Amino acid sequence: RKEVEQDPGPFNVPEGATVAFNCTYSNSASQSFFWYRQDCRKEPKLLMSVYSSGNEDGRFTAQLNRASQYISLLIRDSKLSDSATYLCVVNIWEGDMRFGAGTRLTVKP
Amino acid sequence: SQTIHQWPATLVQPVGSPLSLECTVEGTSNPNLYWYRQAAGRGLQLLFYSVGIGQISSEVPQNLSASRPQDRQFILSSKKLLLSDSGFYLCAWTRGAYEQYFGPGTRLTVT
Repeated sequence: RKEVEQDPGPFNVPEGATVAFNCTYSNSASQSFFWYRQDCRKEPKLLMSVYSSGNEDGRFTAQLNRASQYISLLIRDSKLSDSATYLCVVNIWEGDMRFGAGTRLTVKP
Repeated sequence: SQTIHQWPATLVQPVGSPLSLECTVEGTSNPNLYWYRQAAGRGLQLLFYSVGIGQISSEVPQNLSASRPQDRQFILSSKKLLLSDSGFYLCAWTRGAYEQYFGPGTRLTVT
């Protein structure tokens, strides 16, 4: 089993749609969790950290379920500019970050 | 604010040639440093990480090596490149278990 697994995608959605990405992790001792986005041929950029209580940043909502070892990202009112690959990242311990393979999202007009 | 630099941005090297990629971080001290590789259309592969000067952990045994001669400098090297070394090389830093920040990357093509 991979340490961090994500929905394989790709997700093709119309503008204005709501889309959800899921991620599971295998190490129950994982300390912190993040979502990154990566545009084509660019470096990954931090989208948001994921807190136990759940957190929201504008149209983006992240949830963490430690009992199920599950992380989610919800994007509401999708924009064309949201098209990218979304990476789930888990910090196992200081210095050890594990990335999922990513889920590609294409938002179409 | 913190800044991470990588160079060169693009590199084309023949098989069997040496490699040296450099990464430096500004605006922080004692960061954790990482080297990743991303093959075309694939996910990130962690190559090396370092929690301090001279401390290098290797994730994948291969013909690459890393060194950290200074607190905020991380170098990726190879004595002889293989075709399979082609990819997008990314350096990143973090403080402890907090967010990770990436440099702009080096796109390496081995011919």
